Amino acid sequence: GQNIDQPTEMTATEGAIVQINCTYQTSGFNGLFWYQQHAGEAPTFLSYNVLDGLEEKGRFSSFLSRSKGYSYLLLKELQMKDSASYLCAVADSNYQLIWGAGTKLIIKP
Amino acid sequence: IAGITQAPTSQILAAGRRMTLRCTQDMRHNAMYWYRQDLGLGLRLIHYSNTAGTTGKGEVPDGYSVSRANTDDFPLTLASAVPSQTSVYFCASSETGTSGTDTQYFGPGTRLTVL
Repeated sequence: GQNIDQPTEMTATEGAIVQINCTYQTSGFNGLFWYQQHAGEAPTFLSYNVLDGLEEKGRFSSFLSRSKGYSYLLLKELQMKDSASYLCAVADSNYQLIWGAGTKLIIKP
Repeated sequence: IAGITQAPTSQILAAGRRMTLRCTQDMRHNAMYWYRQDLGLGLRLIHYSNTAGTTGKGEVPDGYSVSRANTDDFPLTLASAVPSQTSVYFCASSETGTSGTDTQYFGPGTRLTVL
């Protein structure tokens, strides 16, 4: 079966760095996405990885290791507005997205 | 304003009633999707359409139907609602639906409660 695993909840301090991990087992792989979802709102796109390595975009970076079925999202200089759920999703062999349940990130002052 | 709109924002529905959730996009995207999001679970694909005139079943299609008469609109119908269909429903769109690089853009969601 297809499976995406990520921690249910994480807590971090404002100004710090946090790493959110995602492991996956899917039928085929056509890329991995990270989305941010604030409570009561729609998911919004953060990053896309299809090749191994690190993609940096401002305070957010995303890493992929296809051989390990592993990705992480790194958030630097945390701000209170980063309190949200972070969703990991993999595009399978049919280009359909398989979604993890999301990691709720709580930022404390 | 470019994007995806959904209606209604929220709805309380009696079991057994028929309900259509509306979704419209103005980005001229070929592909559209319907997901449901339940607490503790990832987004689950109900139905999708890669182009106007075609539709496909996702992971949880039972009890739902869709149509894609044109590029912009992708309504989701619950023929006879049941309490297990209580959920938040998101409509999304992407350029092609047939590329791994396709980014999906989401509407604001419809919160549906079936009593």
